[in-house]
Amino acid sequence: DADVTQTPRNRITKTGKRIMLECSQTKGHDRMYWYRQDPGLGLRLIYYSFDVKDINKGEISDGYSVSRQAQAKFSLSLESAIPNQTALYFCATSGPTGGRTDTQYFGPGTRLTVL
Amino acid sequence: QKEVEQDPGPLSVPEGAIVSLNCTYSNSAFQYFMWYRQYSRKGPELLMYTYSSGNKEDGRFTAQVDKSSKYISLFIRDSQPSDSATYLCAMRRGSYIPTFGRGTSLIVHP
Repeated sequence: DADVTQTPRNRITKTGKRIMLECSQTKGHDRMYWYRQDPGLGLRLIYYSFDVKDINKGEISDGYSVSRQAQAKFSLSLESAIPNQTALYFCATSGPTGGRTDTQYFGPGTRLTVL
Repeated sequence: QKEVEQDPGPLSVPEGAIVSLNCTYSNSAFQYFMWYRQYSRKGPELLMYTYSSGNKEDGRFTAQVDKSSKYISLFIRDSQPSDSATYLCAMRRGSYIPTFGRGTSLIVHP
């Protein structure tokens, strides 16, 4: 079974709709992240959470919100989707600093299209 | 100037070639250096992880870090069509979140 799962894997929605992307992990990591990936722009950090009570904005948080429901679950919401939010979205996790697991482990991605 | 620069390619090589992928960076505080491989429609997966300067080898892959030049490389020996993917470099200082390059697309043709 995959360590980091994302649902849905593909989603097409319309402008103005609210949409939630979900991420679950079985790696036991405290740190979780949401990225978006666009052609030519690479990975950009949207939000990150170092534990259940900690939420931080990344470089492109406008138009997004997150919820850390449990250590293993981190959801990303688009309150009112717009076409330029069409992208590939990745959830990632990492372990405590100092070991090999402090690198990031990525989920399979959600391909989101906003019409 | 971005903190981490990586040529997007594509880089096209014949099977069996030695591939060299590179990143340059501007932040001398970076200490940890990673290479991720991303197949089409998949998430990035960690390939190599190194600390500070030097070389690290894992099978056909060698990661090289030159902190004095702020330059890192990934070498792939005896490249295979299955190595065709996008390779992302990433680096960080201390416990900070890594900074990623934009990725280089590699195509290994039979």
